[in-house]
Amino acid sequence: AQSVAQPEDQVNVAEGNPLTVKCTYSVSGNPYLFWYVQYPNRGLQFLLKYITGDNLVKGSYGFEAEFNKSQTSFHLKKPSALVSDSALYFCAVIPTPGSARQLTFGSGTQLTVLP
Amino acid sequence: GAVVSQHPSWVICKSGTSVKIECRSLDFQATTMFWYRQFPKQSLMLMATSNEGSKATYEQGVEKDKFLINHASLTLSTLTVTSAHPEDSSFYICSARPGSGTSTDTQYFGPGTRLTVL
Repeated sequence: AQSVAQPEDQVNVAEGNPLTVKCTYSVSGNPYLFWYVQYPNRGLQFLLKYITGDNLVKGSYGFEAEFNKSQTSFHLKKPSALVSDSALYFCAVIPTPGSARQLTFGSGTQLTVLP
Repeated sequence: GAVVSQHPSWVICKSGTSVKIECRSLDFQATTMFWYRQFPKQSLMLMATSNEGSKATYEQGVEKDKFLINHASLTLSTLTVTSAHPEDSSFYICSARPGSGTSTDTQYFGPGTRLTVL
């Protein structure tokens, strides 16, 4: 069973507009949730993570994500998109913290910010 | 901080040869390193988990004799693709997880290695 899902393969947004990249998870307990960004032919860069505490997590480059336990979601958001934000975004989860502690990645969402 | 390097960044080799890829954590010690494979426009697939000083744990379907992993120190892990074939062509990415501190569950990724087998 898939632990994390990114329902949108592609998201397009105009520069200056708010952006949202969706992520839902399907694990029991209290998962650790992550967002990473990948630029072409590059590795992944860590953006932010939720472990515990405040549901709104702020990360790098002005991104933030809100952990919603009732909706089992962890959507990535930014108030004002930049063209340079165009990249491939991955949501990831550690289903059972403290055990194997391995990341399971979503399928990725290609974000394109149009000038 | 938390920088991970990979070498080489790209490599082209002939079918049947072996290729070694290095993954280094530059400013932290990594008790655990991970190797992933990524096909174009697809997500990362975990190949194996390596812990310093012990044998790697391979994911189901990954041939351990073909993808040799060595994690000889707290800052270096190597992946050797033995007897490479064209179907092994892919983007290989490593990650490293710090051994202590509050960010123990954050993996930091290398820039990746593009392998092309002719």
